[in-house]
Amino acid sequence: DIQMTQSPSSLSASVGDRVTITCRASQSVNDFLHWYQQKPGRAPNLLNDLTCNLQTGVPSRFSACGSGTDFSLTISGLRPDDFGTYYCQQGFSPPYTFGLGTILEIK
Amino acid sequence: VYLVESGGGLVQPGGSLRLSCAASGFNISTSRMTWVRQAPGKGLECVAKVKEDGSEKHYVDSVKGRFSISRDNAKNLVYLQLNTLRAGDTAMYFCATLGDLGAFDIWGQGTLVTVSS
Repeated sequence: DIQMTQSPSSLSASVGDRVTITCRASQSVNDFLHWYQQKPGRAPNLLNDLTCNLQTGVPSRFSACGSGTDFSLTISGLRPDDFGTYYCQQGFSPPYTFGLGTILEIK
Repeated sequence: VYLVESGGGLVQPGGSLRLSCAASGFNISTSRMTWVRQAPGKGLECVAKVKEDGSEKHYVDSVKGRFSISRDNAKNLVYLQLNTLRAGDTAMYFCATLGDLGAFDIWGQGTLVTVSS
């Protein structure tokens, strides 16, 4: 199984900050890397399919990039509603595994 | 377009439950369907998935032989039969569609399964 490693496991940032979450795969997943945002008590919400392809309705302050084994999700101009837990997930090889998540707290 | 899960609850170790997932606003017959679980305070794990026509099913090792996924495309429903439940199966169970790019794109709100004596 492909292991997904996210860092950091948690971070605290202020409104307006730029934050970056990284995700590393134990082997290449090409660009089949997806990001999700999850709020407490809610289902995850898909932010992008394929590395850089944001879903319709996802604000442009979110950006994702990477290929192969190393990926990142950047939020520029952090807003209070961006709090939650962010997960990466590889869609290249079954089983489609998730990272352990990054908890983003807004100061 | 949404999914609604039901059937969760409190069950004793060794017991069984059947979860249901009802789709609305789209036809599941063109989608791979999955069940993803999340233990309290933990991450996400896809435990079962089924091909569009039900011809292929896959399970994570920890549930093989105990869980069974099925679907009724005519009724727009997906099921997860959970047998021989263990404390470690305690989790929120989400139904989700699996897109062509391997992303879980439509999610239900989840149904909670608690295994405890």
